[in-house]
Amino acid sequence: DVKVTQSSRYLVKRTGEKVFLECVQDMDHENMFWYRQDPGLGLRLIYFSYDVKMKEKGDIPEGYSVSREKKERFSLILESASTNQTSMYLCASQPGQAQTEAFFGQGTRLTVV
Amino acid sequence: GENVEQHPSTLSVQEGDSAVIKCTYSDSASNYFPWYKQELGKGPQLIIDIRSNVGEKKDQRIAVTLNKTAKHFSLHITETQPEDSAVYFCAARLIQGAQKLVFGQGTRLTINP
Repeated sequence: DVKVTQSSRYLVKRTGEKVFLECVQDMDHENMFWYRQDPGLGLRLIYFSYDVKMKEKGDIPEGYSVSREKKERFSLILESASTNQTSMYLCASQPGQAQTEAFFGQGTRLTVV
Repeated sequence: GENVEQHPSTLSVQEGDSAVIKCTYSDSASNYFPWYKQELGKGPQLIIDIRSNVGEKKDQRIAVTLNKTAKHFSLHITETQPEDSAVYFCAARLIQGAQKLVFGQGTRLTINP
């Protein structure tokens, strides 16, 4: 069974903290994505990676960075958390071929206080 | 870049009636159009997809239609049931580049018993 696992369901962090969100997939997929979900705005792409150690900026990369040291793991980093980064974060993975399904994790709800 | 608009943002229908959600996209190079369903507390899950060489696709009570000339596609759910209540997202994928998905804003569908 296909699985994308995000390390935390809920996180509460303080302003200015460095925050790590972890995502692991067990499907040997080449592509991995980090999205942010906010009401009325849908899913917005933060960063994506199509290979180990490769990364590309999405539509809203400011304030975030990513790391992909191994094929199965894609980490999202908030260098200095701010209250406007309070949101639901979704990780997804997808095979390298076009026109194929993307599989999502269950999401991490991050609150920055 | 690609932009996807989704309407309506909320939709309420009586059980047994049909529901229609519409999306438009901006980039004529997009050729893959999936629909995702997100239930409460879960990540989005693919329910149906369509490729640009097809005008319509059906899977039991769910159907998707695509009009490439007008650059719009729609999700049709017939004989709605309470378990259809969820948030639905449309998306479009470009064939060039890293194949990232661009999502619509989402539709919260409520089925009234």
